[in-house]
Amino acid sequence: DIQVTQSPSSLSASVGDGVTITCRTSQNINNYLNWYQQKPGKVPRLLIYAASSLQSGVPSRFSGSGSGTDFTLTISNLQPEDFATYYCQQSYSTLPFTFGQGTKLEIK
Amino acid sequence: QVQLVESGGGVVQPGRSLRLSCAASGFTFSIYGMHWVRQAPGKGLEWVAVTWYDGSNKYYADSVKGRFTISRDNSKDILYLQMNSLRVEDTAVYYCARDSQQWLLHGSLDYWGQGTLVTVSS
Repeated sequence: DIQVTQSPSSLSASVGDGVTITCRTSQNINNYLNWYQQKPGKVPRLLIYAASSLQSGVPSRFSGSGSGTDFTLTISNLQPEDFATYYCQQSYSTLPFTFGQGTKLEIK
Repeated sequence: QVQLVESGGGVVQPGRSLRLSCAASGFTFSIYGMHWVRQAPGKGLEWVAVTWYDGSNKYYADSVKGRFTISRDNSKDILYLQMNSLRVEDTAVYYCARDSQQWLLHGSLDYWGQGTLVTVSS
């Protein structure tokens, strides 16, 4: 199975800051990497698919990059509603479609 | 609009069985792959299973392989998860989710149900 390592597990930032979350996979997955946001008590929401494609309705301050084994989610100009937990997920053809451990973004 | 509504969760003893359902509406169910994802209390997301749009292929996480069965009824727009030999560690909120791509499987999940809680306890 492909292992997915997400870092950091948590981070603190202020409104207006920019942050970067990293995801590393144990094998080359081309660009089959997706990012989700989950707020407490809520359902996960797809933000980015295929490493860098913004899901419809997602603000442009969210962006994704990377290919192969190293990927990043960048959030610029943090807004109060962005404080949540973020997950990456690999969806390469080799099932299972593993999620990362999650990154909790908290207000500083 | 797209809606996914899970049902069937509850409290069950270890070793027993439970069947979850996910009723889909607002889209052409029969042309999308469908997934189950679970989240144990206070933990992260764990992908559980997927079925191709026509049910021809199904894959499972190692943690549930041989115990869980995913299926679908495209005439009723319902996705199922039959869970047998349940264990305490299967306790979680179970979400059904739609694959973002028609016909082919991409693996990104663009719509999620609200989830149904399964508690395995003696």
